[in-house]
This record gives sequence, structure tokens and C-alpha cells, in this order.
Amino acid sequence: KQEVTQIPAALSVPEGENLVLNCSFTDSAIYNLQWFRQDPGKGLTSLLLIQSSQREQTSGRLNASLDKSSGRSTLYIAASQPGDSATYLCAVLGSNYKLTFGKGTLLTVNP
Amino acid sequence: EAGVTQSPTHLIKTRGQQATLRCSPISGHTSVYWYQQALGLGLQFLLWYDEGEERNRGNFPPRFSGRQFPNYSSELNVNALELEDSALYLCASSPGQGFTGELFFGEGSRLTVL
Repeated sequence: KQEVTQIPAALSVPEGENLVLNCSFTDSAIYNLQWFRQDPGKGLTSLLLIQSSQREQTSGRLNASLDKSSGRSTLYIAASQPGDSATYLCAVLGSNYKLTFGKGTLLTVNP
Repeated sequence: EAGVTQSPTHLIKTRGQQATLRCSPISGHTSVYWYQQALGLGLQFLLWYDEGEERNRGNFPPRFSGRQFPNYSSELNVNALELEDSALYLCASSPGQGFTGELFFGEGSRLTVL
């Protein structure tokens, strides 16, 4: 059974800091890994998708890497802003086409 | 192009009642996925429908059921509501079985059971 773990559970940083969120998964037989953002009480916003054959993806100030063999992914956020405050979720798509989510990292960026 | 839409936004029920939640997929998408996000439990996979058929089911009791209509919209029914069914229910859609690309979610339906 696939399990996804995200560390840390919560993170508070001052504005402008670069930060890294971590995600690990137990079964490396995945099609892809996706990072989402969730604002309080809202749905999920897709940030980045990394296919299993890829090593990283970039979008603006966000960079996500994937090491499938070790079951790890990181989301790097450069020059953080208060508007980045949200919960960040990673999810892996397994061979049964089911997305398994981590419990998320609650990020607070202080002005 | 419209994204995944869900209704109602909020729903309040009492224990023992039934709740019905609805999801309209992105135009052209034939697969619909349902997830439950309960406080402290994270996002849990509920159901996957494709081309009108149930393709996969998560570890939930039979009280949770659904269907997919010919226009690919979907309905999630929760019978005999219990307090722990209070959660945000999220729906996503994809172009069909075997799709391994980006999934897009709706804004969710917040179910509160009193």
C-alpha cells in the first residue's frame, strides 16, 4: 500500500526566504508526482507535475524534483512571499491510477 | 473553458439523513474521481468513474456510493450520515482511463453532519 509522508508538517518563515518542502513515498512504481496548493477551505490548485521519467519541473519561483528510486521529491520555493502562505500537498499516481496524498505542509510566510 | 464544478458548496445535514453531492467534469473528460478530506485525516480516495462505470473504490463503507451519468457528470451519495462524514468532498476529472497527466480539482463541497 502506497504511503506518502510530508515533512515538515508546518513551517513558518520570514518573507524573502528560500525554502524546501519534502515529500517521500514508499512504492516507487508511480506514473507521476504532483504538487498542489490548498488555501483554507478551498479546493486544490495544481502547481507542478513531474512524470516518472523526469527529474524536475520548474514554474516561476517553484522548482520540484523527483528521485523515484529513493522515493523522494522536494518542492523548492524561492524568495517566499506572504501570498505563498497555504498548505502544500504532494500526491503520487500509482499503477492503479489512484492518487495518494500526503497530509501536507502548512506554510506561513510572515511579512 | 470551465473547470471542474461542484455543487452544493455547503451542505448541512443531521445524523441518519442522506446527502447528495454533484460534480461536472471538464468538457471532454470522461473520468471523475471523488476524494474525502476530513479534519486530521488528509485526502482519501473514495471513487473513480469512467465511461459510466465504477473503476475503483477506496476503503469506505457501502454507505458511500455514486454514479456517473451519460454526460459524464457524477453524483456522490452518502447514506445514513454519521458525524465523522463531516468533511470537504473534492472531485477531479481526467480525459479517461489510463490518463497519467495533471489532475484538476473542483472547489469542493463542504458537508457538515450535526
